Amino acid sequence: KQEVTQIPAALSVPEGENLVLNCSFTDSAIYNLQWFRQDPGKGLTSLLLIQSSQREQTSGRLNASLDKSSGRSTLYIAASQPGDSATYLCAVIQGAQKLVFGQGTRLTINP
Amino acid sequence: NAGVTQTPKFQVLKTGQSMTLQCAQDMNHEYMSWYRQDPGMGLRLIHYSVGAGITDQGEVPNGYNVSRSTTEDFPLRLLSAAPSQTSVYFCASSSTDTRGGNQPQHFGDGTRLSIL
Repeated sequence: KQEVTQIPAALSVPEGENLVLNCSFTDSAIYNLQWFRQDPGKGLTSLLLIQSSQREQTSGRLNASLDKSSGRSTLYIAASQPGDSATYLCAVIQGAQKLVFGQGTRLTINP
Repeated sequence: NAGVTQTPKFQVLKTGQSMTLQCAQDMNHEYMSWYRQDPGMGLRLIHYSVGAGITDQGEVPNGYNVSRSTTEDFPLRLLSAAPSQTSVYFCASSSTDTRGGNQPQHFGDGTRLSIL
């Protein structure tokens, strides 16, 4: 059974810092991996989708990498801002586009 | 530009009552799915569909029923509500591109359900 782990569970950093969120998965037979953002009481917003054949994807200040052989993905956030405060979820995508989620990293950016 | 629409946003039920959570998407996506989100458990897959007329069970299907009569709609039915079904429910949809690659999953805003 696929298991997805996100470390750390919570992270608090001062504004302007670069930071890395980690995601690991136990079964490398995945189609893709997707990173989401979730604000309190809200739904999930897609940040980046990495196809299994890709190594990384970039969008603005965000960069996500994928290493299937080691079962790891990282989300790099450059020059963090208070508006980046949210819970970040990673999910591996299996057959029929079924998602297996990690439990998330709750990020707080302090002004 | 509606995307994935879930109704209702909030609902309180009594144990034993039944209800249907609605999910509609306007992007012509073939894949749709339902997840529940619980503290300490994360998001877990309840049921999913790969197209109209085709559904299958996910990780936690007990107590829930689905059908997919159209591409746009994927309702989730609680047959006899139990307190353990108190949760936040999310509907998602996605598609593949012309080369068969997966496109990003789109999520609705969720339905917050309390069972007393």
